Amino acid sequence: DAKTTQPNSMESNEEEPVHLPCNHSTISGTDYIHWYRQLPSQGPEYVIHGLTSNVNNRMASLAIAEDRKSSTLILHRATLRDAAVYYCILTGANSKLTFGKGITLSVRP
Amino acid sequence: NAGVTQTPKFQVLKTGQSMTLQCAQDMNHNSMYWYRQDPGMGLRLIYYSASEGTTDKGEVPNGYNVSRLNKREFSLRLESAAPSQTSVYFCASSPTGGYPYEQYFGPGTRLTVT
Repeated sequence: DAKTTQPNSMESNEEEPVHLPCNHSTISGTDYIHWYRQLPSQGPEYVIHGLTSNVNNRMASLAIAEDRKSSTLILHRATLRDAAVYYCILTGANSKLTFGKGITLSVRP
Repeated sequence: NAGVTQTPKFQVLKTGQSMTLQCAQDMNHNSMYWYRQDPGMGLRLIYYSASEGTTDKGEVPNGYNVSRLNKREFSLRLESAAPSQTSVYFCASSPTGGYPYEQYFGPGTRLTVT
């Protein structure tokens, strides 16, 4: 599976938008881009996924670069509850998830 | 719906003891997974079951065995626990029949081996 690169951490202010970047320069044409997050002391939870087009759901938006070598998870208005580790994961046809260390998001009140 | 449930929530074992971690899902999912998460690390896949009656090794299967008891239940057994198996264990499930599909995770079992 192709690898992803994320910053170790990011800080944001409550009620402001947050843009979490992910680089995946070796992505293949059939790889989907998934985002999961893990709140403290909990199991991961699905956030969003996409292939080529930008995607929106009730939790977040996913912006995918035209060449698909990078993507950005957008939280439109961060809340304290959004403080978590966010994982950017590529999946091929076997759809197995390979978790890296993710990016730790801190939200300031 | 309870989603994915795991028992126990916490467990302390002595080196050499055995135990079984239980996982059940009520979402009628075909696929189930066991992961471990060490401090400060991402999750690593131990075993998975693509459907009832099948199991396959993941990234770190040594020291573990699994049983897909039925469609709902997937257990993970440590035959002879070692301190290196101290970790948080997560079970997950997902539907199949379409790609891609999201995985739903349980709350985890925190295991300490002394």
